[in-house]
Amino acid sequence: DAKTTQPPSMDCAEGRAANLPCNHSTISGNEYVYWYRQIHSQGPQYIIHGLKNNETNEMASLIITEDRKSSTLILPHATLRDTAVYYCIVNNYGQNFVFGPGTRLSVLP
Amino acid sequence: EAGVAQSPRYKIIEKRQSVAFWCNPISGHATLYWYQQILGQGPKLLIQFQNNGVVDDSQLPKDRFSAERLKGVDSTLKIQPAKLEDSAVYLCASSLVLAVSSEQFFGPGTRLTVL
Repeated sequence: DAKTTQPPSMDCAEGRAANLPCNHSTISGNEYVYWYRQIHSQGPQYIIHGLKNNETNEMASLIITEDRKSSTLILPHATLRDTAVYYCIVNNYGQNFVFGPGTRLSVLP
Repeated sequence: EAGVAQSPRYKIIEKRQSVAFWCNPISGHATLYWYQQILGQGPKLLIQFQNNGVVDDSQLPKDRFSAERLKGVDSTLKIQPAKLEDSAVYLCASSLVLAVSSEQFFGPGTRLTVL
């Protein structure tokens, strides 16, 4: 079973920030938080990962709470091409990933 | 760089038949994964290779599924015999190394329909 809980779906207006939450209350000290997304009919795509510090790359920002029990993926300026299922995964050492059902993000024009 | 290649893209078979899927990972990637994704669900890891050795196959139904990665490069996943519940997309992924910071690159998948 997945170690994370995500809302099944969310909407976001084009050009606005999309904030996708993830709860991982049983995360262990050596486990990282990973985010992947899957656009329709494609394989999943890596977005970002982090341990305890906030992380930012060209795609998104990852905000992890101080107690590490939850995190938020932020897409700063969502576009229609960001419509996808977003998966939050908790894992150590990068193996044996367990994908949950994820959050279906719809970016609306 | 070229991505992860998979073939065929689509396959339709009848139950009790056999089927095989092929995956060519990104050049130089030591770790290879096979996932099964049933419609409406997230991908489920079936087997993970490090070079040509198996790292994890705990969720592989070994009575009907088998996989190999000869010479630590290409890999094949076989189902024999297929059941109706095997209808799914089979995804192959690879990563440079088995490490926390090593992202997985996924192929387009093979959509299997078992009638």
